[in-house]
Amino acid sequence: DQQVKQNSPSLSVQEGRISILNCDYTNSMFDYFLWYKKYPAEGPTFLISISSIKDKNEDGRFTVFLNKSAKHLSLHIVPSQPGDSAVYFCAARSNSGGSNYKLTFGKGTLLTVNP
Amino acid sequence: GAGVSQSPSNKVTEKGKDVELRCDPISGHTALYWYRQSLGQGLEFLIYFQGNSAPDKSGLPSDRFSAERTGGSVSTLTIQRTQQEDSAVYLCASSLVFGGAREQFFGPGTRLTVL
Repeated sequence: DQQVKQNSPSLSVQEGRISILNCDYTNSMFDYFLWYKKYPAEGPTFLISISSIKDKNEDGRFTVFLNKSAKHLSLHIVPSQPGDSAVYFCAARSNSGGSNYKLTFGKGTLLTVNP
Repeated sequence: GAGVSQSPSNKVTEKGKDVELRCDPISGHTALYWYRQSLGQGLEFLIYFQGNSAPDKSGLPSDRFSAERTGGSVSTLTIQRTQQEDSAVYLCASSLVFGGAREQFFGPGTRLTVL
């Protein structure tokens, strides 16, 4: 069973517009959420994170929103730039059972920002 | 370079052969993690090391998979009698301290193809 779901395999937006990437989760024990960005032939790089005690975290053009009741989070990129084109992975960490080292990833969303 | 490095970058092998994948973590990082990404899937956690010890091996897909870490540095993931379903990108990550999920730095991965 997939505990972290990214239902959109791909997303295409125009440069300067907003990109919204969505992520849903099922495990109520997840207490920390992360977004990673991955370019081809490179490993994922950490982008932004949010603790379950917050509902929003902002870092420059990137904002992550968390809706715990809906078990949903989203990543907003404003304004989108061509260099943002990459695969974005949503990941979550559970703090139960001493497993806070383990990240559970979604399948990723390929974002393409068109000039 | 100062990042996580992995070798080889690509490995093509025949079904039934053994393979070894290597990870060099960032110097001074005590925690090391192995993930794999199969086609169309998210990253799947395999195993982690705290120092040279691997307390949780439950993510390893089968007993054909093993991993070791020596000197608190280099780690080797070994797959014996490879099968076609082992084909994936194997990613290694390291972190300065254990449990800091957002502090995991990923290597570029090894793409394994089993014919």
